[in-house]
Amino acid sequence: QQPVQSPQAVILREGEDAVINCSSSKALYSVHWYRQKHGEAPVFLMILLKGGEQKGHEKISASFNEKKQQSSLYLTASQLSYSGTYFCGTEGLGGTSYGKLTFGQGTILTVHP
Amino acid sequence: GAVVSQHPSRVICKSGTSVKIECRSLDFQATTMFWYRQFPKQSLMLMATSNEGSKATYEQGVEKDKFLINHASLTLSTLTVTSAHPEDSSFYICSANPGGERQYFGPGTRLTVT
Repeated sequence: QQPVQSPQAVILREGEDAVINCSSSKALYSVHWYRQKHGEAPVFLMILLKGGEQKGHEKISASFNEKKQQSSLYLTASQLSYSGTYFCGTEGLGGTSYGKLTFGQGTILTVHP
Repeated sequence: GAVVSQHPSRVICKSGTSVKIECRSLDFQATTMFWYRQFPKQSLMLMATSNEGSKATYEQGVEKDKFLINHASLTLSTLTVTSAHPEDSSFYICSANPGGERQYFGPGTRLTVT
């Protein structure tokens, strides 16, 4: 089942913050976050593993609550380059799920000057 | 870092013809590769798992006779779209894992069927 992302779209001015949420109905092993620009392949941002963790990457960080099967991506002090569509990809538990990512529907982020 | 390449990056073909897309892991070996498809303004959807030396496993709703997958070596998987039709026009992306937790995606192949 496809994870649900919220919001579907968000518009920011440079310097503003945003949070994108990803919620799954199944138990998860990991959550992967990607940003995709129009016409290009998705670019990896970070991965969060079972065990519940929070990771940071410059001004972009994320958390993973495995009990709630939810992950959030935090974008702080947004830059124009942050514009794009953000996808979470979830990996389920169990051998047959290894490596297979189920992607959310995407969140369109637009940053204006 | 691990690199996955795809060829071609873009292809235009006529309806009814077949198209082959290659996915290569350039600096690592991969016993498993994954094929995804993305229609315009939609999310990525897993099509199939390519297994080196054995049959691919397809996700529900994906026609195995239409999307032929061959994983003949540890660095190459191919996806052949047979008898392509305009509704097969899409962005096809492969991924592979060199070990560890992260998947590495190729740059994608944009298929247009006229």
